[in-house]
Amino acid sequence: SQQGEEDPQALSIQEGENATMNCSYKTSINNLQWYRQNSGRGLVHLILIRSNEREKHSGRLRVTLDTSKKSSSLLITASRAADTASYFCATDTGTASKLTFGTGTRLQVML
Amino acid sequence: DAGVIQSPRHEVTEMGQEVTLRCKPISGHNSLFWYRQTMMRGLELLIYFNNNVPIDDSGMPEDRFSAKMPNASFSTLKIQPSEPRDSAVYFCASSLQGNSPLHFGNGTRLTVT
Repeated sequence: SQQGEEDPQALSIQEGENATMNCSYKTSINNLQWYRQNSGRGLVHLILIRSNEREKHSGRLRVTLDTSKKSSSLLITASRAADTASYFCATDTGTASKLTFGTGTRLQVML
Repeated sequence: DAGVIQSPRHEVTEMGQEVTLRCKPISGHNSLFWYRQTMMRGLELLIYFNNNVPIDDSGMPEDRFSAKMPNASFSTLKIQPSEPRDSAVYFCASSLQGNSPLHFGNGTRLTVT
């Protein structure tokens, strides 16, 4: 079963706009990671946030984590056409090193 | 750094045939993972190796699937006999240790007819 559920399933925005994707999960975690997948390619790690952190930034990416609500959000600011991809959250529960991926959000950034 | 290398990129085979997928992890990485991705089930962990030893194979669908890691630089995932429902994209990923960020290969797209 999926530990993480992303919302929305699909998102279409204009270049320059911000994109926000949400991830909800079910059990306690050690950390939560976000990955990007371009069509026909493998997943690429974007950012990791630990359970004792609330917010983290990396370039145009901002990730928040609310462990009380068991949710995380990924914000991409000033989006570009090259940001078009699927985005996945993945949770590390610390159990046998199982990293469980969510269902993904398909982001399309239009010119 | 060449990244994680998987071969072949595409595999088309008939039901009942044996399929072997190959993976070369990033040099120095101690953990290796095999995932399967389908539209219906998303990304599923099949098996995880640490220091060449299988740690968790609870995700392996059934006895038709087997995985080996004979050394730190090579792993195989074998399906014998293959079935149409095995059609999916199979990813190999490696990490320095455990769930430190995973580095994925570009996958093998398997089609079983």
